[in-house]
Order: sequence, then structure tokens, then C-alpha cells
Amino acid sequence: NAGVTQTPKFQVLKTGQSMTLQCAQDMNHEYMSWYRQDPGMGLRLIHYSVGAGITDQGEVPNGYNVSRSTTEDFPLRLLSAAPSQTSVYFCASNRGGGDTGELFFGEGSRLTVL
Amino acid sequence: LAKTTQPISMDSYEGQEVNITCSHNNIATNDYITWYQQFPSQGPRFIIQGYKTKVTNEVASLFIPADRKSSTLSLPRVSLSDTAVYYCLVGDERYRANNLFFGTGTRLTVIP
Repeated sequence: NAGVTQTPKFQVLKTGQSMTLQCAQDMNHEYMSWYRQDPGMGLRLIHYSVGAGITDQGEVPNGYNVSRSTTEDFPLRLLSAAPSQTSVYFCASNRGGGDTGELFFGEGSRLTVL
Repeated sequence: LAKTTQPISMDSYEGQEVNITCSHNNIATNDYITWYQQFPSQGPRFIIQGYKTKVTNEVASLFIPADRKSSTLSLPRVSLSDTAVYYCLVGDERYRANNLFFGTGTRLTVIP
């Protein structure tokens, strides 16, 4: 099993450009989420999904869009990139029903906006 | 959304036992306590989870007092490879909304 796969690992954008960070999981997990991690600030939740077709906002959703058309994929779209969106982005999934609720994270995508 | 308080950093020598305490005064009845470990340039990784008393696995132990307002992650005989950031999270049993507050974590540095 690959677990949670994020692409790209690195990306440089210019202010105003748009792009999509891809996230795929092969564990048949219901729940998926996107976090951003900035120096000294831990991880903050951007958007999350509790199943295909269902998404909701987290703590810092502005400037980002998500959709969940399949169980496996949960892309994060930056509509018009800003320097404040320079960060490391992590996608996570979990089973979402009983059990430990353990989150499985991808390796991260490092985004720089110039 | 129960928030947590942890020390920002800790240093320890190799071979020692390390205890990291987390405060979570607003923990709810249905909340579990979970600890994650994060190495540089990697996503966090689950270490251990508990509800009350003591839980032990092959990596760590988790001690939770009766009032559940704090918890202590215990790492036995740490090695250099245990240098990482450790996050304490508090959330409901099934993490339905993924509303978990990671905070800044505790940066553990293991010294040779």
C-alpha cells in the first residue's frame, strides 16, 4: 500500500497564479483533510471531507478550494496564490468510524509563492 | 475544541527516559488523547492513544490521571533517532470533523 500520496513535493508559484495540490489515498478511508504548517505554528486545518461529495471548512480556509468526487482523491486548489500561502501542506486521511481515528499523513508539499 | 499546552522544547541524553506532559483542562467526556511524532520534512506519525489510566505499546507509554486534565507521554531509553517534534491532541472518539488542534508541539532533542 502506498498510503497517502501527495504531489508535487515542491512548487514555486508567482503571486496570482493558481494551482492544485493532489492527494490520493489507497486505504479506503472515509475522512480526508488538508493542513498547512508554518514555522513555529504547528499544523492548522484548511479543509476536510467526511466522504465523497462532502467537504467543510477548517480553521484557515480562505484562498483555498477543495472537492471530493471520489473516496480516493482530495485535491486542494489555490485560486490566486499569495505570498502568505507559502507553507508546507500536508494531506491526511483516517478511517472515520470507531477504532483509534489515527490520522495517516502524506510526505508534504512545499509551496513557495513569490 | 479542546486545546492543549505542552512545553516548547526539551533536551535529553541518549539512553534516558523522557516524559513529556500535556495539559488539556477542557477535555470532554468523549475525547481521547493522542500523540503524534514528526520528523523534519515528514508528515506526523501516530504514536499512541488513550482514554484513561495507562496505555503501553512497543514505542511509548501514555499516563492519564483520573481527572484526565493532563497526560504524560513516556519514551523509554531515547536514542538520537527520537529527536523530533511531539504533538499532543485531544479529540472525540471518532474524529468525525477532524477538528483536532495540533498546537506547536514539543521539540525533543536527544543529545549523544
